[in-house]
Amino acid sequence: GAGVSQSPSNKVTEKGKDVELRCDPISGHTALYWYRQSLGQGLEFLIYFQGNSAPDKSGLPSDRFSAERTGGSVSTLTIQRTQQEDSAVYLCASSLVGPQRYEQYFGPGTRLTVT
Amino acid sequence: QQPVQSPQAVILREGEDAVINCSSSKALYSVHWYRQKHGEAPVFLMILLKGGEQKGHEKISASFNEKKQQSSLYLTASQLSYSGTYFCGTEESNFGNEKLTFGTGTRLTIIP
Repeated sequence: GAGVSQSPSNKVTEKGKDVELRCDPISGHTALYWYRQSLGQGLEFLIYFQGNSAPDKSGLPSDRFSAERTGGSVSTLTIQRTQQEDSAVYLCASSLVGPQRYEQYFGPGTRLTVT
Repeated sequence: QQPVQSPQAVILREGEDAVINCSSSKALYSVHWYRQKHGEAPVFLMILLKGGEQKGHEKISASFNEKKQQSSLYLTASQLSYSGTYFCGTEESNFGNEKLTFGTGTRLTIIP
């Protein structure tokens, strides 16, 4: 079946502009995660959605970052007034949930470059 | 707090064994292992739940010592395809959700 998809695959924007990144999770996956990965670095947690629960926003680096998930499916990560330090690959992942735990399926990522 | 992985990088010849460690200062419910090849998304390897369970498939296995909050990934008779960066993701026991905090990564290079 279809995996996690993200769009756009690449985004170049000027400093100060707003950007929207989209994630389409695997159908039926109630959990959705956003991560950021700077060049050669690890995966930095940004935000986590699970069903109808309030999202865990503890990883958002500033109030310029926000995310929503509509209808328990598609998610949009918005970065306002982009800065050069926002340049990174933004990865989305989705999974089932349960006490036995499930793997996260990652999308191909959106490479954001702020000039 | 981010788990610490060691070593940071390792170079092996094909057929050699490797151990990658992941250590947390928090009580853990689960540890997840992923491999990421250059320019690609991370790919799942395995999940270990608290209880000291050891898992494995083919030549890759892992253990989880919940008392020490440590996990180790074992790669035996390494193949060229094992090259990549390995990340552990830890889930803290007290959070009640399934959020993972990923480690710093271990870059593994297999040479012929």
